[in-house]
Amino acid sequence: EDKVVQSPLSLVVHEGDTVTLNCSYEVTNFRSLLWYKQEKKAPTFLFMLTSSGIEKKSGRLSSILDKKELFSILNITATQTGDSAVYLCAVEYQFYFGTGTSLTVIP
Amino acid sequence: EAEVAQSPRYKITEKSQAVAFWCDPISGHATLYWYRQILGQGPELLVQFQDESVVDDSQLPKDRFSAERLKGVDSTLKIQPAELGDSAMYLCASSLSPTSESEQFFGPGTRLTVL
Repeated sequence: EDKVVQSPLSLVVHEGDTVTLNCSYEVTNFRSLLWYKQEKKAPTFLFMLTSSGIEKKSGRLSSILDKKELFSILNITATQTGDSAVYLCAVEYQFYFGTGTSLTVIP
Repeated sequence: EAEVAQSPRYKITEKSQAVAFWCDPISGHATLYWYRQILGQGPELLVQFQDESVVDDSQLPKDRFSAERLKGVDSTLKIQPAELGDSAMYLCASSLSPTSESEQFFGPGTRLTVL
């Protein structure tokens, strides 16, 4: 059965810390891996990864995919309170989502 | 900025009643998705449309759920009869195409509570 597993389930850090969120997957017909940020509303898109070893960056966020080991990481540097959210990983084909990592950044 | 519209935003119903949710995707987006998100879990794909055709409804409980997108634009998701376990957020998303190169945009969701 296809599955997407995220870890840790929750994380509490102080502002300025760097965090690494993990997503491992076992799916057939892999097309891409996507990261979303979900605050108290619908998910918003962060990254789409299709190729191994190519880092995608957006400001303080970055992500990389390892298609051999079947995982991806999302890094957030110099965390801010506005980064507090649930971070979801999803794998296409059929968009299987993980349960998410709940990140809380305290001042 | 174009957005995916959903209504209602909140719905409270009693079990065994029928409920319906509406979604209007971003103009020009051919692919439309309905997800169910139970509290504390990630979204679960229920149905995917390409224009007016169903591409994937393998996770849709067809004994009580139905979805349509008659003109390939807006879409309706119906539950009849609703059960307690259907309480969840129902998210609609759209994208230009179903391929990996096309980002999904989510609507605000409809939060359903079944009493």
